[in-house]
Amino acid sequence: AQSVTQLGSHVSVSEGALVLLRCNYSSSVPPYLFWYVQYPNQGLQLLLKYTTGATLVKGINGFEAEFKKSETSFHLTKPSAHMSDAAEYFCAVSDRGNNDMRFGAGTRLTVKP
Amino acid sequence: GAGVSQSPSNKVTEKGKDVELRCDPISGHTALYWYRQSLGQGLEFLIYFQGNSAPDKSGLPSDRFSAERTGGSVSTLTIQRTQQEDSAVYLCASSPSSNNYGYTFGSGTRLTVV
Repeated sequence: AQSVTQLGSHVSVSEGALVLLRCNYSSSVPPYLFWYVQYPNQGLQLLLKYTTGATLVKGINGFEAEFKKSETSFHLTKPSAHMSDAAEYFCAVSDRGNNDMRFGAGTRLTVKP
Repeated sequence: GAGVSQSPSNKVTEKGKDVELRCDPISGHTALYWYRQSLGQGLEFLIYFQGNSAPDKSGLPSDRFSAERTGGSVSTLTIQRTQQEDSAVYLCASSPSSNNYGYTFGSGTRLTVV
């Protein structure tokens, strides 16, 4: 069964600095990979996804992630953090053809002025 | 509707009481999921409905938890004889039949058992 590990439950960066949120997955078959963002008192919102094709995927709000099969990773990055990026970020994995999606424990991003 | 709607948004109940949480998915989405998010925890899968197929109940934590989906649309998650450890945010999500679209989540129901 698939699983996800997010390294770092809390990441703090300064406004304008690089954002890097780490995600490693375990899956017996090529997976679908997702990043979601959760703002306070809201549900999860899809940031970006990898299903097939180009391994570097771009999402909303300037975020992107790269699928690296050799490293079983799908790290989320943004070149320059903005105060509005402060939120909880969840990485998720789903086996192809299987609607069961497994989520990581989440990483809380804090952006300092 | 335009999004996934959950009600109530907040629920406070006494230990031992039963509660019902409602989810109204996006029209046309055949797949519906329930997750539980406890304070400081990730998302815990509870149950999954796909069309008219039998639901995947493998994530339900005990027999006090049950869910149904009527007419392939609205779903109700029922927790009987609530316990304090049931306090959490219960999130509902829906998706089209294929999982490569990702899920659309509702805003959740915050359940507090006192």
